[in-house]
Amino acid sequence: AQTVTQSQPEMSVQEAETVTLSCTYDTSESDYYLFWYKQPPSRQMILVIRQEAYKQQNATENRFSVNFQKAAKSFSLKISDSQLGDAAMYFCVLYNFNKFYFGSGTKLNVKP
Amino acid sequence: EAGVTQFPSHSVIEKGQTVTLRCDPISGHDNLYWYRRVMGKEIKFLLHFVKESKQDESGMPNNRFLAERTGGTYSTLKVQPAELEDSGVYFCASSQDRRRTNGELFFGEGSRLTVL
Repeated sequence: AQTVTQSQPEMSVQEAETVTLSCTYDTSESDYYLFWYKQPPSRQMILVIRQEAYKQQNATENRFSVNFQKAAKSFSLKISDSQLGDAAMYFCVLYNFNKFYFGSGTKLNVKP
Repeated sequence: EAGVTQFPSHSVIEKGQTVTLRCDPISGHDNLYWYRRVMGKEIKFLLHFVKESKQDESGMPNNRFLAERTGGTYSTLKVQPAELEDSGVYFCASSQDRRRTNGELFFGEGSRLTVL
């Protein structure tokens, strides 16, 4: 069975500081994609960052980076220099080339 | 390029009534997915179209839900009759052909359904 677990329903961070969102997953596949999607209030979900399972190097997109630990099945998202616009629901997603599996989401609040 | 659009953005109906949600995917995207998020829980898969064909409808909760994708373009999801537990946000997403896709899904803003 494929599962994605986000154990932090809600988190807060001070503007300009760093925050890490946790995600663990379970899959029997050896090749898959992992994503972090962001949904701002009343807006559509957009892709933040993507990681191919066969790549050992952690993906980075500007202020967003991941810590991908394949053996531990862990995929955390680090947001550096947090901005007010980062406030959103963040979903960790597993794609096994057949289906997408979503975590329950982490609501990130950014304090000015 | 227009993104994925969904209509209505919010629908409030009474138990027993019918509601039809519509999704217009990005032009040229063969894959169209419907998902549902209920009461702040995880997003659950409902079904997957490849063009006009239902590739996987294993997530459809029961026969009160009917999805169609006319001519491989827009899709509708009808709930008839609606029950209280159907309340939630229904997301539509689309993606390109899997041979070319890097896995990215493009989402609509969701249709919030409230059943009273």
